[in-house]
Amino acid sequence: TQLLEQSPQFLSIQEGENLTVYCNSSSVFSSLQWYRQEPGEGPVLLVTVVTGGEVKKLKRLTFQFGDARKDSSLHITAAQPGDTGLYLCAGAWQSNYQLIWGAGTKLIIKP
Amino acid sequence: GAVVSQHPSRVICKSGTSVKIECRSLDFQATTMFWYRQFPKQSLMLMATSNEGSKATYEQGVEKDKFLINHASLTLSTLTVTSAHPEDSSFYICSARDIPSGPSYNEQFFGPGTRLTVL
Repeated sequence: TQLLEQSPQFLSIQEGENLTVYCNSSSVFSSLQWYRQEPGEGPVLLVTVVTGGEVKKLKRLTFQFGDARKDSSLHITAAQPGDTGLYLCAGAWQSNYQLIWGAGTKLIIKP
Repeated sequence: GAVVSQHPSRVICKSGTSVKIECRSLDFQATTMFWYRQFPKQSLMLMATSNEGSKATYEQGVEKDKFLINHASLTLSTLTVTSAHPEDSSFYICSARDIPSGPSYNEQFFGPGTRLTVL
């Protein structure tokens, strides 16, 4: 059983469209992180959300942490080909700070 | 800041040989480092948690005698794949967590990964 459900697992859209990626869990996390990974490279941290209901913006990317700290979303506005990559969410428990990973969303933005 | 390096970035070896992968935190001290394995187009799979000065904690199904982990200092952890076989071919990624008093204790910082190919 996946502790952190990430969806969709694959998304291919045209440049300029908007999209949302979701991560859902029945567990409460002390924090949740979003990463982007290029092929052959390690994940790069985009944002960490800590407070329930928190919203963070990074240019065209908007990250939201659910009020109960069990779910999160990543919304990209006006997607560009440079946004192509594997997006990963990861939840952390305060007890040991191990990361619980979502399955990842392979995003392709077509010019 | 918060840079983690891995060496080598790519390694090809013959079946039966051992391969050592290094993970270094370059500008911060890390009491805990994590080793992951990633198959193509899949998410990261935690193999083990490495704590400086103590034995690593392995995840269920990961053979500790095959994947030897040493975390001898606050900036270096090594993963040795012993008697490697083709099924060990994968992308291995390490991450490091800041020390408890550090400013980024809640975050893990990832290395660039090591592509291991066993022939």
